[in-house]
Amino acid sequence: DAGITQSPRYKITETGRQVTLMCHQTWSHSYMFWYRQDLGHGLRLIYYSAAADITDKGEVPDGYVVSRSKTENFPLTLESATRSQTSVYFCASKGMAGASYEQYFGPGTRLTVT
Amino acid sequence: QKEVEQNSGPLSVPEGAIASLNCTYSDRGSQSFFWYRQYSGKSPELIMSIYSNGDKEDGRFTAQLNKASQYVSLLIRDSQPSDSATYLCAVKDTGRRALTFGSGTRLQVQP
Repeated sequence: DAGITQSPRYKITETGRQVTLMCHQTWSHSYMFWYRQDLGHGLRLIYYSAAADITDKGEVPDGYVVSRSKTENFPLTLESATRSQTSVYFCASKGMAGASYEQYFGPGTRLTVT
Repeated sequence: QKEVEQNSGPLSVPEGAIASLNCTYSDRGSQSFFWYRQYSGKSPELIMSIYSNGDKEDGRFTAQLNKASQYVSLLIRDSQPSDSATYLCAVKDTGRRALTFGSGTRLQVQP
């Protein structure tokens, strides 16, 4: 039971390149989230999705694009990477059950933009 | 801008002591609160959730919530070196199914 996986786990790219980070969950959770984590800022929400084809902006969406054609996948694309997007990216998911808002995180992708 | 504030630490306690981690939040309408543990280089792991005022106990962990004071805390009894990690406080945003996280408190348990 893999739960929630992210790929790649590590990525180095150059400024201006397009990069896609993948997130896949096997729980059939409705909600999926993308966060970035930087020293001094904690976890900041980039985008989230309530279901397939439903996405919404979080706190820091500029420079990122998301899509969700299938419930289990939620890719995050950096259209033209900048050095300020060097960070650790975490994907998370939660189910619809009751009033629970508990989120479960993937292992993360460490992205370096040179 | 909704805020969740935590002391960054490090909070250093001796093995066997009680570690007390604190969190304040700005959104008075928040109803759901969470504590995550994050080891260095790893992803956050949910350890406690609390929704009602008062205490909630789970093993060595106790979460405390005071909505009037907009204050959440986590107590770790009989602290172990394996508890050394960063502890993140998270608050559900009113109006959307997303969480706002504090920047975390680093806990060091000295053997």
